[in-house]
Amino acid sequence: DIQMTQSPSTLSASVGDRVTITCRASQSVGTWLAWYQQKPGKAPRLLMYDASNMESGVPSRFSGSGSGTEFTLTISSLQPDDSATYYCQQYHTYRTFGQGTKVEIK
Amino acid sequence: QVQLQESGPGLVKPSETLSLTCTVSNGSISNSYWTWIRQSPGKGLEWIGYVYYFGGRSTNYNPSLKSRVTISVDASKNQFSLKLTSVTAADTAVYYCARGKGTDWNTFDLWGQGTMVTVSS
Repeated sequence: DIQMTQSPSTLSASVGDRVTITCRASQSVGTWLAWYQQKPGKAPRLLMYDASNMESGVPSRFSGSGSGTEFTLTISSLQPDDSATYYCQQYHTYRTFGQGTKVEIK
Repeated sequence: QVQLQESGPGLVKPSETLSLTCTVSNGSISNSYWTWIRQSPGKGLEWIGYVYYFGGRSTNYNPSLKSRVTISVDASKNQFSLKLTSVTAADTAVYYCARGKGTDWNTFDLWGQGTMVTVSS
């Protein structure tokens, strides 16, 4: 199994802040990495794929980068609607998810 | 637009079989990878497996669940289903059906709302 580890587990930031979430893979996954956003009681929503490609309809304040074993999801200017839990997912070998990063608004 | 809806019992007894169905509305079940994913507080999000229907069908399962899982499709009803045998409390989770984005099963761009399944006597 490829293990995905996210940090931090929780972060609290103010509206307008730049926020970065990190995802590390236990072995190289190339750029076979996606990011999802999940709000309470809802299904996950695909945000990014192939590490840096934005899904249609996703606000441009979201961006992704990285390759190999280290990846980041950045929100350039945090908005109230961005309060959610974010998950990374690798698709190099089967499919595994990170444990999530909860983003709270101060 | 295409929508997914899970259905099935919310309570299953230990050692019995969990059975869920996902209905695909406003779209064809052909030529997409239809997937089951579950989410529990203990294990987070876990990919269970997929079925791909193209007239014939192809399946692929998470190795950790493979011995207990069957995913099938009923094209006449535009539905696909999950069966998980010999369940224990560890199988308690919200179960989602989802669609692989585009023509692969790399990522998942359409999800059902999820259904909570509790394993308890």
